[in-house]
Amino acid sequence: AQKVTQAQTEISVVEKEDVTLDCVYETRDTTYYLFWYKQPPSGELVFLIRRNSFDEQNEISGRYSWNFQKSTSSFNFTITASQVVDSAVYFCALSGPNTGNQFYFGTGTSLTVIP
Amino acid sequence: GAGVSQSPSNKVTEKGKDVELRCDPISGHTALYWYRQSLGQGLEFLIYFQGNSAPDKSGLPSDRFSAERTGGSVSTLTIQRTQQEDSAVYLCASSQGGGTGNTIYFGEGSWLTVV
Repeated sequence: AQKVTQAQTEISVVEKEDVTLDCVYETRDTTYYLFWYKQPPSGELVFLIRRNSFDEQNEISGRYSWNFQKSTSSFNFTITASQVVDSAVYFCALSGPNTGNQFYFGTGTSLTVIP
Repeated sequence: GAGVSQSPSNKVTEKGKDVELRCDPISGHTALYWYRQSLGQGLEFLIYFQGNSAPDKSGLPSDRFSAERTGGSVSTLTIQRTQQEDSAVYLCASSQGGGTGNTIYFGEGSWLTVV
């Protein structure tokens, strides 16, 4: 089965707090790709990161960091020192040979950063 | 263009009418996707085009939905005899190539309201 689970439906944090968004996936592929997208209130999904299954190095980009752990099938996303502009819905997605031509998206986590 | 362009941005239509939604992908991108996002829901795959290959229509919810892609570029999603449950944001995305691992980039979506 191909599946992405984002168990956190909504999260609220106070500005400057750190927050981690969880993503757990299921796949029978040995090679696959994981993605994170941000959907601000304006509606457009913005690509944040792509990670292939052979690269387990954590990645940091400014205040954003991603922790990929194949052993637990997780690809978690941490925002450090959150800002109001980080308020959005965040989607995790999976693509692989057995996902056909589509990306499998989680149901999203709505993050609200309170000033 | 610089990004995926969709039109109209917003459409209100009466139940039973037909609607057409247009997508202009990023220049040079051969793969094009349509997704649907209902209020507060995740992303539902509708259809995929790649080059001159036959489209993957496996996600279309009923025969009232159809899509075409002319000249390998612009795509039109048509919904016939619209129903209230068709109200959603219709998102178009494109990628540089088809297949696993290519990042897909989304447009701002077409918000459809059926009254």
